Amino acid sequence: SSELTQDPAVSVALGQTVRITCQGDTLRNYYPSWYQQKPGQAPVLVIYGKKNRPSGIPDRFSGSSSGNTASLTITGAQAEDEADYYCNSRDSSGNHVLFGGGTKLTVL
Amino acid sequence: QLQLQESGPGLVKPSETLSLTCSVSGGSISSSSHYWGCIRQPPGKGLEWIGSIYYSGSTYYNPSLESRVTMSVDTSKNQFSLKLSSVTAADTAVYYCARLTGLAVDWYFDLWGRGTLVTVSS
Repeated sequence: SSELTQDPAVSVALGQTVRITCQGDTLRNYYPSWYQQKPGQAPVLVIYGKKNRPSGIPDRFSGSSSGNTASLTITGAQAEDEADYYCNSRDSSGNHVLFGGGTKLTVL
Repeated sequence: QLQLQESGPGLVKPSETLSLTCSVSGGSISSSSHYWGCIRQPPGKGLEWIGSIYYSGSTYYNPSLESRVTMSVDTSKNQFSLKLSSVTAADTAVYYCARLTGLAVDWYFDLWGRGTLVTVSS
């Protein structure tokens, strides 16, 4: 089916590593991208093309993808990483954009 | 540096048409490397892609909204626009404009506007 599934919420202790996942059949054919959204702000691209970081994104953010599952990993989570994270990709037709439902990350 | 700015009505009555204009500054909308897109986010909910348009006018729409959506581009004004007809309260959301970039195996929105809240209410 053409949809992307994310866990609604994840928590991580300050300084620890957290993995946020995104599942969907379309990920077998198309690369995932990831966005960070803080309250009241527009989303910001943090990973594209499966594992590339835009300029200005800290290197503690990394991406990977295998089969139908994509992952965003934050190594050494900081308080400022507390946000909602969304994955996106193309759908199975290749003509439409999909977003996952989002994961709320809490840094404890 | 390229920037996007949304302009919208703020308040739209049920059954009417929502119109949103996205202005591009600091770069050309006629880039062969990019599409331009509209995404919305209802209060407290996730992101929903509405549609994307190329500078030539070629469009892709979310199948769930396609019957009510029209996007257009005005290269002379460096703008693109969204019209969403027959709106209901369920269309209340923050509407974003964004630049869509990518190759054959990925699409991603690398630049976003700040968004504008559109409320549907009588």
